[in-house]
Amino acid sequence: DSGVTQTPKHLITATGQRVTLRCSPRSGDLSVYWYQQSLDQGLQFLIQYYNGEERAKGNILERFSAQQFPDLHSELNLSSLELGDSALYFCASSVEAGNDLQPQHFGDGTRLSIL
Amino acid sequence: DQQVKQNSPSLSVQEGRISILNCDYTNSMFDYFLWYKKYPAEGPTFLISISSIKDKNEDGRFTVFLNKSAKHLSLHIVPSQPGDSAVYFCAATPRGGSNYKLTFGKGTLLTVNP
Repeated sequence: DSGVTQTPKHLITATGQRVTLRCSPRSGDLSVYWYQQSLDQGLQFLIQYYNGEERAKGNILERFSAQQFPDLHSELNLSSLELGDSALYFCASSVEAGNDLQPQHFGDGTRLSIL
Repeated sequence: DQQVKQNSPSLSVQEGRISILNCDYTNSMFDYFLWYKKYPAEGPTFLISISSIKDKNEDGRFTVFLNKSAKHLSLHIVPSQPGDSAVYFCAATPRGGSNYKLTFGKGTLLTVNP
């Protein structure tokens, strides 16, 4: 058990809809990261938050947004969903994001299926 | 453009023998490298890491070697056990600065046969 909790585990919805994925980081971790794993692309970095502030963006679509709340949990919002958004979405957390890098620890993911 | 490449999609070894998983990278800014193991229906689990100031890091049965000039790293598992059967991902990131995003390879499926 990595200590990172993601809910829900599975989500099935239709094109055009909006969903919210939730992540609770490990106790004490200030940084939260979101990754997308699709069949053909592998694990792709989407976005990073550190103590409530956005720190880095990767290949995140404009239809996607995220935030980190004061209690450090994070939500990833996906809107106007398309079939190609079907993927596994992973959240990870780490102690900090500075020069003294520590490993990122991953949750078990949310499997999103768009019908 | 794949900056982290794992050229072997799969590897099969006998229990008790050595497993060697390879990873190449192209971005010379990468200087912190990690290996993750992933079982089906679970998230990636951190195994071992190495920074560019070292060329070897060992943790129990797992050893990671880094060859900076060749932009190559490898994970050695000795001895291999059936429970090691999983997908192994290599990941890399530049060190320093306030952002820390991992670039992953596409993984190598390791099968350890009893």
